[in-house]
Amino acid sequence: DSGVTQTPKHLITATGQRVTLRCSPRSGDLSVYWYQQSLDQGLQFLIQYYNGEERAKGNILERFSAQQFPDLHSELNLSSLELGDSALYFCASSTTGTGYGEQYFGPGTRLTVT
Amino acid sequence: TQLLEQSPQFLSIQEGENLTVYCNSSSVFSSLQWYRQEPGEGPVLLVTVVTGGEVKKLKRLTFQFGDARKDSSLHITAAQPGDTGLYLCAGVGYGQNFVFGPGTRLSVLP
Repeated sequence: DSGVTQTPKHLITATGQRVTLRCSPRSGDLSVYWYQQSLDQGLQFLIQYYNGEERAKGNILERFSAQQFPDLHSELNLSSLELGDSALYFCASSTTGTGYGEQYFGPGTRLTVT
Repeated sequence: TQLLEQSPQFLSIQEGENLTVYCNSSSVFSSLQWYRQEPGEGPVLLVTVVTGGEVKKLKRLTFQFGDARKDSSLHITAAQPGDTGLYLCAGVGYGQNFVFGPGTRLSVLP
């Protein structure tokens, strides 16, 4: 158990819909990272927040957005969902805002878009 | 765009054998991390290498960061079935962006 929690564990929804994925980092960790993992594209870095502010941005689509709240939990919002958005979405946390910090990954949310 | 390649993509070996997997890029990274991921779970960090030429050992696992900070290798001695999993390398760019390689899927047969 990494100490990072993600909800829900599974999510099935239809194309065009909007969903919100939630992540609670380890106690004391200020950074939250979001990743998308699909079979054909591997693990893709989406976005990082550090203490409530966006720190780094990866291959995140405009239909996706994220935020980190004052209690440090984070939400990833996915809208206008397409079949290709079906994937595992992981959240990770670390104590630092730099790449030197160890990232602890949550168990992931499996999103299926039908 | 920074890209990481990993080889081999798949590796199936017998218990007790040695193996090396590689992580390569044309880009320079400020640091590089290795993770192991098991089915249905999130990746777990094994090591972070920061200095060019650095070698780190974790029991039977030896990690090396290339002198030019563009590549890395992971060597496993006397592999065990418990080593089975997806091995991912992740490069951290100087812009603090993270790039993961596609992974090497290792299967160690008893």
